[in-house]
Amino acid sequence: GQQLNQSPQSMFIQEGEDVSMNCTSSSIFNTWLWYKQDPGEGPVLLIALYKAGELTSNGRLTAQFGITRKDSFLNISASIPSDVGIYFCAGPRWDDKIIFGKGTRLHILP
Amino acid sequence: DAGVIQSPRHEVTEMGQEVTLRCKPISGHNSLFWYRQTMMRGLELLIYFNNNVPIDDSGMPEDRFSAKMPNASFSTLKIQPSEPRDSAVYFCASSFNRVAFFGQGTRLTVV
Repeated sequence: GQQLNQSPQSMFIQEGEDVSMNCTSSSIFNTWLWYKQDPGEGPVLLIALYKAGELTSNGRLTAQFGITRKDSFLNISASIPSDVGIYFCAGPRWDDKIIFGKGTRLHILP
Repeated sequence: DAGVIQSPRHEVTEMGQEVTLRCKPISGHNSLFWYRQTMMRGLELLIYFNNNVPIDDSGMPEDRFSAKMPNASFSTLKIQPSEPRDSAVYFCASSFNRVAFFGQGTRLTVV
């Protein structure tokens, strides 16, 4: 079945550093979603991408939908402590079932 | 809108007891999903509904799990009988135009 592969699984960075994570699939998706989950909370939508090649920003976050529609990346610039959490990519299938990756866990070192 | 509302937020129960988790989706959303999250297995889709009809329950672990959506504003996930390995955080999400919005989850502990 369709799967989303996220990398890296976890990241340890210093505050102020830029972060890059990505998501790939063997199948084409027409929409690509990025979520963030804070500890003890449900995932929250960060960015939605709808067109191949689309580049979208939301504050310090930037995400791009790959031209082949089989991959996407999420960048965070100048990381701050509240960026800690799990970042998920997700893609809805033709039947509205939404597939999630296993997440990238972001840690910020003091 | 208040977002997706789940209750209870926390549930501790003894093995063998019945557990019912509740979800109120965002008004106007036509799809509803139940997910389970554990450290080992991540976020797993259990079942989803489209216009109140169950579409895919292939993720439901076994017959002890059942889910209903009697109307567009309410869904339940029931575990009977519960087992310690069911301990996890259960999320409900609703979607419109293929974008999902999550509730805050129910943390279930079965002792």
